[in-house]
Amino acid sequence: QKEVEQNSGPLSVPEGAIASLNCTYSDRGSQSFFWYRQYSGKSPELIMFIYSNGDKEDGRFTAQLNKASQYVSLLIRDSQPSDSATYLCAVKLYNQGGKLIFGQGTELSVKP
Amino acid sequence: DADVTQTPRNRITKTGKRIMLECSQTKGHDRMYWYRQDPGLGLRLIYYSFDVKDINKGEISDGYSVSRQAQAKFSLSLESAIPNQTALYFCATAGTTDTQYFGPGTRLTVL
Repeated sequence: QKEVEQNSGPLSVPEGAIASLNCTYSDRGSQSFFWYRQYSGKSPELIMFIYSNGDKEDGRFTAQLNKASQYVSLLIRDSQPSDSATYLCAVKLYNQGGKLIFGQGTELSVKP
Repeated sequence: DADVTQTPRNRITKTGKRIMLECSQTKGHDRMYWYRQDPGLGLRLIYYSFDVKDINKGEISDGYSVSRQAQAKFSLSLESAIPNQTALYFCATAGTTDTQYFGPGTRLTVL
């Protein structure tokens, strides 16, 4: 089992819809969780991070963390074509100070 | 100016050549990382450094070496390049939190 898993997609949603991206992780002691967005040929850029169970909202983005079920998700409301990118989930595993493990990424396509 | 810079941005080299990729940062971060990215495989950690005197291997360090010349500089070397090292290489930095900030990447092709 991979330490951090994401569906590779592509996930296709119509403009204005909610896009839901999911990530599961294997280490129950994982502490910090990150979502990065990566446009084709560009570097990953941080969207948001979450440390505690529950929801964290930032504009059109909501991160949801459920440590008991070992998953973290990213919701994008009112999806726009400019949201079309690959979304990377990253997890800091327990006792792995300073290292993040990245999932393989989910490609999102928002159709006008 | 960008906080994390990488040089060169693109490089084509031949099998067996030694090459160096350089990373510089102005963020004042102690932690620096080198990743490679291949289609469908996500980001894989090659080496990381928490300060000038601390260098650690990541999950795929074979065939690579690094040098932390200063807090702001972290270089990745391929001693004898081979075609399966063709990839997109990213440098990243982190401060006291776990959030990592990425450079623009170097696209390396080994013929």
